[in-house]
Parts: sequence; structure tokens; C-alpha cells
Amino acid sequence: ETGVTQSPTHLIKTRGQQVTLRCSSQSGHNTVSWYQQALGQGPQFIFQYYREEENGRGNFPPRFSGLQFPNYSSELNVNALELDDSALYLCASSLEMAPRENTEAFFGQGTRLTVV
Amino acid sequence: AQTVTQSQPEMSVQEAETVTLSCTYDTSESNYYLFWYKQPPSRQMILVIRQEAYKQQNATENRFSVNFQKAAKSFSLKISDSQLGDTAMYFCAFMKHWGAGNMLTFGGGTRLMVKP
Repeated sequence: ETGVTQSPTHLIKTRGQQVTLRCSSQSGHNTVSWYQQALGQGPQFIFQYYREEENGRGNFPPRFSGLQFPNYSSELNVNALELDDSALYLCASSLEMAPRENTEAFFGQGTRLTVV
Repeated sequence: AQTVTQSQPEMSVQEAETVTLSCTYDTSESNYYLFWYKQPPSRQMILVIRQEAYKQQNATENRFSVNFQKAAKSFSLKISDSQLGDTAMYFCAFMKHWGAGNMLTFGGGTRLMVKP
């Protein structure tokens, strides 16, 4: 177990709806990243938050947004859901400025989102 | 932008034998990290092994070792004495750092089946 927890584990939404996914980072980790993993593919970077600010973004539209809270927990919000948003959403936490030998991202078990 | 390529979508190996999974990457960065992650059916990404690009020595972790060829941009994973529990998807990943941020770029994955 990595100490990163995500909720819910599964979710079904209708096209056009909005969804919020949640992540609790590993204790002491101040950086959280979100990844989208479509079926049969590798994860793709959505964005990263550091100290409650977005600190990097992948090739995802603005309807994908996030929040990071003072306790370093995080949310991923997706508006106007599309069928192609169906995927496993993974949260990963890491420690900013970690010593080189400790550089690592710890993943949660993911939220499986199905858009119908 | 970084790209990571895993050319073997599926592989199988007999229990107790050795298997090598291939990974190549492309980047203009000079300082980076490379990882192999395992994703079993439980969906959680589990770190298998890590390699710092500035280190010439290949990383080893028990039955897992890598062959890191920086000039060739190659990063293969060798699993010795394969066990049934090694059955999973394996992802090669490249980590780029910027300031306080980091981002993983994943390959498409290799599905490994260990046969009894």
C-alpha cells in the first residue's frame, strides 16, 4: 500500500454531467498529479498541483480542472462529460525537492469512470 | 516533449525463467529519471525499479534489474526467476523535473503472463 487513497473506486455518469474525483496524498507529500488511463493504454498526465497552485498541465482541455487543499488532499473535476472521458483516473503524490535517490511518485488505486 | 515506446504489447514466460521487457525513449533532457511500474488487476501502479540518468550503474532490486543505455535511449527490464505473481501490465516511464514539479510520461505497456 502506498498511502494514497482515491474515492470513489467506481463511478457511472451520463454524458454532459459533471464529476468530482478525490485523492488523499501520502503523508508529508506536497505535490499531487492526476493521470488519465484509457483502457489498454498507458496513463497520460493531466495536471499537477503544488502548494494549492497548478504547477504543470498536459494536453487536456479546460473542462478538466483541479484543486489542492491545505492538507494536500486534491480533487479532479471534469465538466461536460464526454464518452471519451471514460477511463481510469489515477492520482499520484510526491515530495517536492526530494533527494535524488528518493524521487518517486506514489499512486492510488484509481477511480474507474464510465460515461454513458 | 518526451516519448516512451514499449514495442512488446504482450509477452509470456515460464515460471522460474528469465524475461526481458524492452523500452526506448526520446528526450532532449539531460537530467531525468526512468521507472518501471507494475500494474496488476488491482489497478494500483507499483514501482518496480528506478534509474537516475546521471548514474551509469544499472539499478537492481532483488529479481529485477535494468539495462540502461543512455546514448541509445534504451531502458530494458529483466525479471529473473519469474513468479506467478509477476503476471501484470508493466509500464516504462520517464520523469521530467521542473522547479518544484515533475511529470511522468508512460509507454503503452507490456502485458506479461507468467505460466506455471
